[in-house]
Amino acid sequence: GAVVSQHPSRVICKSGTSVKIECRSLDFQATTMFWYRQFPKQSLMLMATSNEGSKATYEQGVEKDKFLINHASLTLSTLTVTSAHPEDSSFYICSAQDRLQIWDEQFFGPGTRLTVL
Amino acid sequence: AQSVTQLGSHVSVSEGALVLLRCNYSSSVPPYLFWYVQYPNQGLQLLLKYTTGATLVKGINGFEAEFKKSETSFHLTKPSAHMSDAAEYFCAVIPDGQGGSEKLVFGKGTKLTVNP
Repeated sequence: GAVVSQHPSRVICKSGTSVKIECRSLDFQATTMFWYRQFPKQSLMLMATSNEGSKATYEQGVEKDKFLINHASLTLSTLTVTSAHPEDSSFYICSAQDRLQIWDEQFFGPGTRLTVL
Repeated sequence: AQSVTQLGSHVSVSEGALVLLRCNYSSSVPPYLFWYVQYPNQGLQLLLKYTTGATLVKGINGFEAEFKKSETSFHLTKPSAHMSDAAEYFCAVIPDGQGGSEKLVFGKGTKLTVNP
């Protein structure tokens, strides 16, 4: 149980285009999902917290107009990187909390590697 | 700002040897502490966690960690390394877990190599 999927696993796009990444909780309902980015040889940095049915909360320094987050249902959150540039190339990882668990463990997806040319 | 320091970005051990991955944190209040493992092209998997109670925590795959408040440490150990333990390991903290915070702060990770 507690499986989180991400799609796509890899994406290559041209500079200036937008890319959408999906994060799904496959066998549980997630009221809260988190989006992280991971640069090579660096730790995961929290970008934003996404709550179902409400606006995402962004961490300091993260542009909300560039990284659009939509948490439309209890099993799906999407991250759209708008007008992507090479510096946005990174590994994006989502996690989801199981609302029925007593302790809100975060279950992580396998990540999406974004390369912007 | 709260921080997590993992000493050694790379650790190499022989199969059957002791594994010791170090983690120190800074937090002014009792934290929640975690170790995650990441295999190539996979998401993070929780190895073990400390929230309250017994300071020696046992996790999956034979790993354990001990919360030492006086040393602000949460080092990860395994008595005997296996080839399948080769992966990236992340220490993480919820700086104010008992206060209801849910934000994880991660260390930079330690890549463990196991030599035959």
